[in-house]
Amino acid sequence: EVQLVESGGGLVQPGGSLRLSCAASGFTFSSSWMHWVRQAPGRGLVWVSRIKSDGSYTTYADSVKGRFTISRDNAKNTLYLQMNSLRAEDTAIYYCAGGGSGYIFNWGEGTLVTVSS
Amino acid sequence: EIVLTQSPGTLSLSPGERATLSCRASQSVDNNYLAWYQQKPGQAPRLLISGASNRATGIPDRFSGSGSATDFTLTISRLEPEDFAVFYCQQYGSSALTFGGGTKVEI
Repeated sequence: EVQLVESGGGLVQPGGSLRLSCAASGFTFSSSWMHWVRQAPGRGLVWVSRIKSDGSYTTYADSVKGRFTISRDNAKNTLYLQMNSLRAEDTAIYYCAGGGSGYIFNWGEGTLVTVSS
Repeated sequence: EIVLTQSPGTLSLSPGERATLSCRASQSVDNNYLAWYQQKPGQAPRLLISGASNRATGIPDRFSGSGSATDFTLTISRLEPEDFAVFYCQQYGSSALTFGGGTKVEI
């Protein structure tokens, strides 16, 4: 069974940093593109970032470029999202997701990030 | 970034009826790399369609996708009670992926 389990969410002040992790199991993590997608409470889905299976290629949404960094450790089957210079508008549930380079067929349950003073 | 506009925002229908959801892109989506997802309250999204018209594994054939370039459609031929949810389109033809704002299908 495919499992994606996010952790690291919580309350952080504006301008602060947070690192999300996602532990993957039940599929060949090292062969899968991985993504982060977020959803503000009561709002729609927003794609954040993706990383190629070997970690050699990454892309970001304009809204997070220069502030967020996606990375992975294939030896640990773990995906990361380093989030710096956080803003109130970054408040959302962050989903770890996997699949192809574009579409996504495996999703975690999400971890809530709240940016507030 | 490509902007995806979904319409209508809300669709009020009854079980057994046909649902037609639209997704319009601000520029042509390369290779028709357009996916559709369903999301129910409190749940993660589920992939329905990729490549504009290819149903994902386990998706019933009452769900179908069509369209090309900038205009795409998701059709649910006969709504079942479990189909009421929010539906999102997503393009992956450019380096920055984007989602549409969603269409809520309600009873």
